[in-house]
Amino acid sequence: DSGVTQTPKHLITATGQRVTLRCSPRSGDLSVYWYQQSLDQGLQFLIQYYNGEERAKGNILERFSAQQFPDLHSELNLSSLELGDSALYFCASSAGYGEAGEQFFGPGTRLTVL
Amino acid sequence: AQSVTQPDIHITVSEGASLELRCNYSYGATPYLFWYVQSPGQGLQLLLKYFSGDTLVQGIKGFEAEFKRSQSSFNLRKPSVHWSDAAEYFCAVVTNAGKSTFGDGTTLTVKP
Repeated sequence: DSGVTQTPKHLITATGQRVTLRCSPRSGDLSVYWYQQSLDQGLQFLIQYYNGEERAKGNILERFSAQQFPDLHSELNLSSLELGDSALYFCASSAGYGEAGEQFFGPGTRLTVL
Repeated sequence: AQSVTQPDIHITVSEGASLELRCNYSYGATPYLFWYVQSPGQGLQLLLKYFSGDTLVQGIKGFEAEFKRSQSSFNLRKPSVHWSDAAEYFCAVVTNAGKSTFGDGTTLTVKP
């Protein structure tokens, strides 16, 4: 158990819909990262937040957005969903701001878009 | 932009045999390099990391990796593989700006 929690574990929805994925980092961790893992794209870094502020951005679509709240939990919002958005979405957290820190991964949310 | 290549999609080794998983990266500056392992249905777990100092780094579960700047490689090794090592292994590079790039992964199968 990494200490990172993600809800829900599974999510099934239809094209065109909007969903919100939630992540609670390990106690004391200030950074939260979001990743998408799919068979055709592999593991893709989406975005990082540090203490409420966006810190680094990866291959995140404009239809996707994220935020980190004052209690440090984070939400990833996916809108206008397409079939290709079906994937496993991971959240990870780390203690600090830096690049050398270990990221602790949550168990993931499996999103299926029908 | 940085990139990570894991040339072997799938590797099969016998239990007790040695293992080497290859990772090549492309990045203009000194990289922060990581190896993660993912068991089926699980999140990723850090095996080891390199960002400075000794180029041979030791990790958990008996794994080690060697950073070779001249070859832009960070290969993962284990002298004797156990059946529980069967999993998918990811190499990753993190830039100074905090962007993470993962390789496509190598699936390890361990034969009894």
